[in-house]
Amino acid sequence: GNSVTQMEGPVTLSEEAFLTINCTYTATGYPSLFWYVQYPGEGLQLLLKATKADDKGSNKGFEATYRKETTSFHLEKGSVQVSDSAVYFCALDTGGFKTIFGAGTRLFVKA
Amino acid sequence: NAGVTQTPKFRILKIGQSMTLQCAQDMNHNYMYWYRQDPGMGLKLIYYSVGAGITDKGEVPNGYNVSRSTTEDFPLRLELAAPSQTSVYFCASNAGTARNEQYFGPGTRLTVT
Repeated sequence: GNSVTQMEGPVTLSEEAFLTINCTYTATGYPSLFWYVQYPGEGLQLLLKATKADDKGSNKGFEATYRKETTSFHLEKGSVQVSDSAVYFCALDTGGFKTIFGAGTRLFVKA
Repeated sequence: NAGVTQTPKFRILKIGQSMTLQCAQDMNHNYMYWYRQDPGMGLKLIYYSVGAGITDKGEVPNGYNVSRSTTEDFPLRLELAAPSQTSVYFCASNAGTARNEQYFGPGTRLTVT
């Protein structure tokens, strides 16, 4: 079946450090891939998405590239800020009724 | 557009009480979902709906019921609340294609004591 695996957290970084959160998936067909972010006390919101192989999604300095050959969609940011502290969820959608979410990775950024 | 709205924001229930969590969206989305998120955990799908009058169970439907009489509204009913239902509940909607993201409401924090 379809599934998403993302690195366990928490991830703790100092401000201006480089961020990578790994995400790999298993899916039949050609899914769309998403990263959602959840700030404390809020619902999830879309951070970025990619709908086909080799697409790069980007937003707010975050990037992720849809790699079909490695079935991955790793999230990166060159220089994190304290305000990036949140939980990040990788997700996929194959066009069925349900989006498959990863377990989430909590990021703490220290000043 | 208000997007996805949920009420109430917070609620404390006693064991055995019942309540309805309200969810509404103004984006004319066919697909709607209810998730629960336990502390420090990911999302678990409770119920979903692909259109008015059509609902189906997710991973953890026991103890809950839903209805979908209109495109806009998707209420979640808790009957006989139990401490295991203490959680944050999120409603979400989706336009119904793989390229479209889910839109989430702000959540309802429920405590059952």
